[in-house]
Amino acid sequence: GQQLNQSPQSMFIQEGEDVSMNCTSSSIFNTWLWYKQDPGEGPVLLIALYKAGELTSNGRLTAQFGITRKDSFLNISASIPSDVGIYFCAGSTTSGTYKYIFGTGTRLKVLA
Amino acid sequence: EAGVTQFPSHSVIEKGQTVTLRCDPISGHDNLYWYRRVMGKEIKFLLHFVKESKQDESGMPNNRFLAERTGGTYSTLKVQPAELEDSGVYFCASSQRTYGYTFGSGTRLTVV
Repeated sequence: GQQLNQSPQSMFIQEGEDVSMNCTSSSIFNTWLWYKQDPGEGPVLLIALYKAGELTSNGRLTAQFGITRKDSFLNISASIPSDVGIYFCAGSTTSGTYKYIFGTGTRLKVLA
Repeated sequence: EAGVTQFPSHSVIEKGQTVTLRCDPISGHDNLYWYRRVMGKEIKFLLHFVKESKQDESGMPNNRFLAERTGGTYSTLKVQPAELEDSGVYFCASSQRTYGYTFGSGTRLTVV
């Protein structure tokens, strides 16, 4: 089946540093989503991308829908301790779909 | 508004036993989804309800899993009999449209 390769698997960074993570696929996607999961909670949607090349920001977070439609990245600038969690990319190959394929997650730890 | 509620938050059962997970979606959300994350892996789609009807159950692992949605309100996911490989976190999500899910906090199932 379709898979999303998400990297890195985990990151340890110092508070204030910038972070970058990405997802790649062998298939073309029509939608890319980025979620964050805090410990003991469910994933929460951070950013949704619907067009190739689209660059969208949400506060200190910026995500881009790759031109090839097979990848996406998420950047976090000036990290803070509450950025700790697991970040998941998700995508769909059909517009308006209900079913998303998720990556394996990037576990982020921020050292104060 | 209240979020998506899942119960129990944790369950530890022995192999061969039965477990029933419950999900209460956000009121008024016709779409309800079940996903599962096995340790360290991606979050995988299990099935999708529209009101009380199963729209897509292509992700259900096998016939030991049974999902129901009584009267289009809450949903249950029963695993009978449970096997070791069923361990993981089971997420429920709901939405009004087919995108923009809200996830619950999940049920962590451990089969020993």
